[in-house]
Amino acid sequence: GDSVTQMEGPVTLSEEAFLTINCTYTATGYPSLFWYVQYPGEGLQLLLKATKADDKGSNKGFEATYRKETTSFHLEKGSVQVSDSAVYFCALSDPPRGRRALTFGSGTRLQVQP
Amino acid sequence: EPEVTQTPSHQVTQMGQEVILRCVPISNHLYFYWYRQILGQKVEFLVSFYNNEISEKSEIFDDQFSVERPDGSNFTLKIRSTKLEDSAMYFCASSTPLTSGNQETQYFGPGTRLLVL
Repeated sequence: GDSVTQMEGPVTLSEEAFLTINCTYTATGYPSLFWYVQYPGEGLQLLLKATKADDKGSNKGFEATYRKETTSFHLEKGSVQVSDSAVYFCALSDPPRGRRALTFGSGTRLQVQP
Repeated sequence: EPEVTQTPSHQVTQMGQEVILRCVPISNHLYFYWYRQILGQKVEFLVSFYNNEISEKSEIFDDQFSVERPDGSNFTLKIRSTKLEDSAMYFCASSTPLTSGNQETQYFGPGTRLLVL
């Protein structure tokens, strides 16, 4: 079945550092890819998404590019802030194959220190 | 901006009791979902619902679980006889298919934290 693998956390960075959180996926079809963020004590919020190869999703300074050749969707941000501290989840779905359910990775906790 | 709401925010129950978790999806959405997140673990899909019937379910969604859309706005998850391992955060989500097919986005509620004692 479909699966998502994320790098283990926690990731601890100083403010203004560069962030990369790796995400790779396994899927039979041609999935849509998502990054969701969960701030402490809150629910899941969509951060960005991409639906076809070479698409770049971006939001709030975060970016991720859908790489079909490497089955990856790595999350990047050029300069993190303390307020970016949260858990980040990579996810996929495949609606054209009738699979709207999101398959999530295990999440990566980001801690940004001042 | 429209949002998904869930009630209650916290629920404590005794093992073997029935619980009903409630969700109000975004009003023009057609697909509804339940997910759960056991503390410290990944978010897991339970069930999706469309046109008044279950469209997908996971192996977690066994006979102890049921879903219902009792009226035009609410979407509920019932756990018939709770077990200790049902303790988790339960998230409701909703989405609507776009004409391009695969670009829909699921919007999540804030969750209900269920504790089974």
